[in-house]
Amino acid sequence: SQQGEEDPQALSIQEGENATMNCSYKTSINNLQWYRQNSGRGLVHLILIRSNEREKHSGRLRVTLDTSKKSSSLLITASRAADTASYFCATVRGGSQGNLIFGKGTKLSVKP
Amino acid sequence: EAGVAQSPRYKIIEKRQSVAFWCNPISGHATLYWYQQILGQGPKLLIQFQNNGVVDDSQLPKDRFSAERLKGVDSTLKIQPAKLEDSAVYLCASSLIGAQDTQYFGPGTRLTVL
Repeated sequence: SQQGEEDPQALSIQEGENATMNCSYKTSINNLQWYRQNSGRGLVHLILIRSNEREKHSGRLRVTLDTSKKSSSLLITASRAADTASYFCATVRGGSQGNLIFGKGTKLSVKP
Repeated sequence: EAGVAQSPRYKIIEKRQSVAFWCNPISGHATLYWYQQILGQGPKLLIQFQNNGVVDDSQLPKDRFSAERLKGVDSTLKIQPAKLEDSAVYLCASSLIGAQDTQYFGPGTRLTVL
């Protein structure tokens, strides 16, 4: 069953612009994670935000979490062509064994 | 630190044949996961091991899929017999303890069933 829904499904921007992707989920969570997947490659963990956190930064990445709205956003600042990839949010349900439930992802294209 | 290793990277088989995938997690990681990722979708968990015990296999089609993790290290995932709808990328991941840790993914095995 799918927990996270990313929005938009696809996003195309120019290098240097910021990219914002959103994720909504349905049930209470323990944490929410964002992953990147380059074409034909495995997933790379970007950032984990716990349910008691509201914002987290890592380099050019900024993640926010609003548990009252059951939503999260991922902001990539000053995007580069190398950021072209699919981005997935994944949630770990509260009280669960830690199984990640992924959304369908946002396909980001950054044009040079 | 070496990452999660998987083999083979690609496999093409006929329907009704059998296939096996292998995964070597990051050294010291107690938890190992197998995911199935169908084209255009996010990964879906098939099975989770904690050391060599199964924690969750609720989404594993047990009539055709099986998995084992001998000695709590390497793991194999088998499909027998394969169906057309099994065409997907099979991803292995591991985490240090389990539930609340970051999962590290291998490169995946792309399976095509003809």
